[in-house]
Amino acid sequence: GAVVSQHPSRVICKSGTSVKIECRSLDFQATTMFWYRQFPKQSLMLMATSNEGSKATYEQGVEKDKFLINHASLTLSTLTVTSAHPEDSSFYICSASGGVYNSPLHFGNGTRLTVT
Amino acid sequence: GQQLNQSPQSMFIQEGEDVSMNCTSSSIFNTWLWYKQDPGEGPVLLIALYKAGELTSNGRLTAQFGITRKDSFLNISASIPSDVGIYFCAGSLSGAQKLVFGQGTRLTINP
Repeated sequence: GAVVSQHPSRVICKSGTSVKIECRSLDFQATTMFWYRQFPKQSLMLMATSNEGSKATYEQGVEKDKFLINHASLTLSTLTVTSAHPEDSSFYICSASGGVYNSPLHFGNGTRLTVT
Repeated sequence: GQQLNQSPQSMFIQEGEDVSMNCTSSSIFNTWLWYKQDPGEGPVLLIALYKAGELTSNGRLTAQFGITRKDSFLNISASIPSDVGIYFCAGSLSGAQKLVFGQGTRLTINP
């Protein structure tokens, strides 16, 4: 069964509004979760590393004030897309690992964000 | 950002045929992973490789971690319609943590 749950699976919002996406590890504690973005017909690009109890680490070119990440517990990380614009429309996917070395990363089912 | 070179980008095969795809990198990785992604869903882990030279099978799938640690291949034997999808390789330097992805191989199967 799924070990990483992502919600919502699909969201449509108006330009200028904010959207929150949740990523939960279901049967393990995840000290680290990762947020990826995938545009149509492209690969997954890492946006940020979410660390429980501390600030997220953002990849180069990703605006930390626009993509707010909160990892308040060992089983939940949230990504908030603030003041969304149509160019933010994409497929957002989270992943999590049990934290044990060599434990493979499992991915959520993704969130399709459409900004109108 | 950094990406792995994955080939081929797409494959059109007949059902029952074998499939082979590979990934190469200019950098060394300590972990290679292979994922399959269906439309509108997240990637699903197929095989994880942790040691140079390691050859691992999962049913009809076989993957190897190149001895130079800069490449990996995935083979699918006797393809079936449910094998259709996009296959991604991914590499990591630290266990299976921060991943770098290949561009993907889109597999289409003609019945």
